[in-house]
Amino acid sequence: DGGITQSPKYLFRKEGQNVTLSCEQNLNHDAMYWYRQDPGQGLRLIYYSQIVNDFQKGDIAEGYSVSREKKESFPLTVTSAQKNPTAFYLCASRTTSGSSTDTQYFGPGTRLTVL
Amino acid sequence: RKEVEQDPGPFNVPEGATVAFNCTYSNSASQSFFWYRQDCRKEPKLLMSVYSSGNEDGRFTAQLNRASQYISLLIRDSKLSDSATYLCVVNGLGGYNKLIFGAGTRLAVHP
Repeated sequence: DGGITQSPKYLFRKEGQNVTLSCEQNLNHDAMYWYRQDPGQGLRLIYYSQIVNDFQKGDIAEGYSVSREKKESFPLTVTSAQKNPTAFYLCASRTTSGSSTDTQYFGPGTRLTVL
Repeated sequence: RKEVEQDPGPFNVPEGATVAFNCTYSNSASQSFFWYRQDCRKEPKLLMSVYSSGNEDGRFTAQLNRASQYISLLIRDSKLSDSATYLCVVNGLGGYNKLIFGAGTRLAVHP
C-alpha cells in the first residue's frame, strides 16, 4: 500500500526529554512537511523539506529539529527547549511538479503528551 | 488579519439539508485552493481542489471568487457521515509548496 506512516500513534514524554517522531512515505514525493495542531486551531507549519538534505523553518520551528537524509523519511525531534509540546503532530508529503493542483497527503498523526 | 479565515461554526443541520461554508484569504497572489475534511482526532483528507471556474464532485460544489478573495463549499443533501470539520487551504507566499490552513468549520448533521 502506498501512503504515509507515522509512529508512534501516542507518545508520552517527561519534561526535559527529547523525543523523535517518525514519518515515512512511499509515494515518491519530493516535499515533506511537519505541522502541529492544537485544539480549536488550524495546522501550524513547523518545518518543511523540498528535497533531500535540505529543509526550511516554518512558522513555529523553535524547539524542534528535523533531518532529511532520505527521500522517504523526515523525522521530527521535539527538544526540551519546546515550551509547550503537547499537541497532535501531523506529517505530510506532496509532489512538486509545479502544478497548482499538487496536493498534500497526511499521515495518521502522533499525539504527544508531556507529563 | 489571518491569512485564511473561516467561520468556526458549529453548523448544526438536519439530514438532507443544504449547507454552505465560506472562507476568505489574504494573499491575492495565491494560485492553489483546496477543501480538506478532518474527522475528530484524525488526519485531514483532501475533499476537493477548487478551480477558477468552480467545480462539482457529487453533492459537493466548490466556488472561487478571486476578486473578493473568497472560496465557498456547498454540500447538498447532507448525510450523517458528512459530520466533520472542513478546512479551507490556500497556498501561501513562496509559491505552490507552502499551504496555509484555516482553523476549520465544524459541521454536525443530525437525524
